[in-house]
Amino acid sequence: DTAVSQTPKYLVTQMGNDKSIKCEQNLGHDTMYWYKQDSKKFLKIMFSYNNKELIINETVPNRFSPKSPDKAHLNLHINSLELGDSAVYFCASSQVMTSEAFFGQGTRLTVV
Amino acid sequence: ELKVEQNPLFLSMQEGKNYTIYCNYSTTSDRLYWYRQDPGKSLESLFVLLSNGAVKQEGRLMASLDTKARLSTLHITAAVHDLSATYFCAVDTSNSGYALNFGKGTSLLVTP
Repeated sequence: DTAVSQTPKYLVTQMGNDKSIKCEQNLGHDTMYWYKQDSKKFLKIMFSYNNKELIINETVPNRFSPKSPDKAHLNLHINSLELGDSAVYFCASSQVMTSEAFFGQGTRLTVV
Repeated sequence: ELKVEQNPLFLSMQEGKNYTIYCNYSTTSDRLYWYRQDPGKSLESLFVLLSNGAVKQEGRLMASLDTKARLSTLHITAAVHDLSATYFCAVDTSNSGYALNFGKGTSLLVTP
């Protein structure tokens, strides 16, 4: 039973399109995150939600919009995709804001 | 701005040898995390170090934390090929909303 699951695993799309990535966790955690891993493997926080409330919104273009319908779900919608958005996006969750995070399998987004 | 620096970034070592990966961070934090990532895979939590002087061991890996020096080490004993992966350290602080701030990762290759 997957703890943190993301869909899709791979996403290839053209510039200018709008796409969404979905994330669900069945761990009962309070906090969920979106991280971006670039081509050099560097991981950077994008958003953090605690109990459906946005906690962190790092310097991310407003084309990226997270939505948390409930504690177990955190989706990421991206408008007007650009080549530079190509990366692996990881969803993660943790019990409270100060504990270890468990990561989903990642979504490899390729914008062509 | 919190900075997390790992070194080395690349490490090629022979099976059976010992080595240490270092992780320095720039601001006060009592919590440090080590993750492993295999190529194309998710991040797997290895160690959670929650206080000064914490030491944890799992198999051939041992992690320690010195919060006064703002330094964590990941020691590899008698390396085997299965340890080949990228290792990340990460720190969370209240200033970052407790999201993980990652180092750039250490790509480890263990050769026969």
